[in-house]
Amino acid sequence: GAVVSQHPSWVICKSGTSVKIECRSLDFQATTMFWYRQFPKQSLMLMATSNEGSKATYEQGVEKDKFLINHASLTLSTLTVTSAHPEDSSFYICSARESWTTDTQYFGPGTRLTVL
Amino acid sequence: AQKVTQAQTEISVVEKEDVTLDCVYETRDTTYYLFWYKQPPSGELVFLIRRNSFDEQNEISGRYSWNFQKSTSSFNFTITASQVVDSAVYFCALSEASRRSSYKLIFGSGTRLLVRP
Repeated sequence: GAVVSQHPSWVICKSGTSVKIECRSLDFQATTMFWYRQFPKQSLMLMATSNEGSKATYEQGVEKDKFLINHASLTLSTLTVTSAHPEDSSFYICSARESWTTDTQYFGPGTRLTVL
Repeated sequence: AQKVTQAQTEISVVEKEDVTLDCVYETRDTTYYLFWYKQPPSGELVFLIRRNSFDEQNEISGRYSWNFQKSTSSFNFTITASQVVDSAVYFCALSEASRRSSYKLIFGSGTRLLVRP
């Protein structure tokens, strides 16, 4: 199957700093990537849909100025958590939609963010 | 509105038992996709299967099988002869097959499966 990578796999930062998470589709081009957030023992919550070359579409209740998304190429999307606070600590997962054959979303391994 | 319900929060079985994970969905669209993903303790979601709304054939892949019934809006997943490595959280998901929706996935709440030796 298609492979999606995420970097870093985990990060610890101080409150008030910004953190950037990268999501890459390694062996296919992804016109659409998605960013999810998952709290312990809960399901995935979609934060935003990222289309290459255009602005991201955010879900209701997600602050676009706090969670900056950039999708500059067909294989890379980034999520920047600006001025992170302890309540932003979570597991962030990206997915990339493989659109030419199976139209399936493949997920990255996730990034665990801990804000002190 | 679209919705996916996985009523079983946790299931515990002994190794080699068969286990079925239930998934019921709601959608007003006639064209849609259904998915199952596995999330082991490592956290990464592993794609298991994708089924489109026009294909009601059941599928078998090794010890895994899926039963799709549009009449009851269900897409159940059965693991035969379960193994300890099957222990994970399993998510059922629904996606509209249209650009309008951006192909967003609607996830169920997940079923945590524990297979005991």
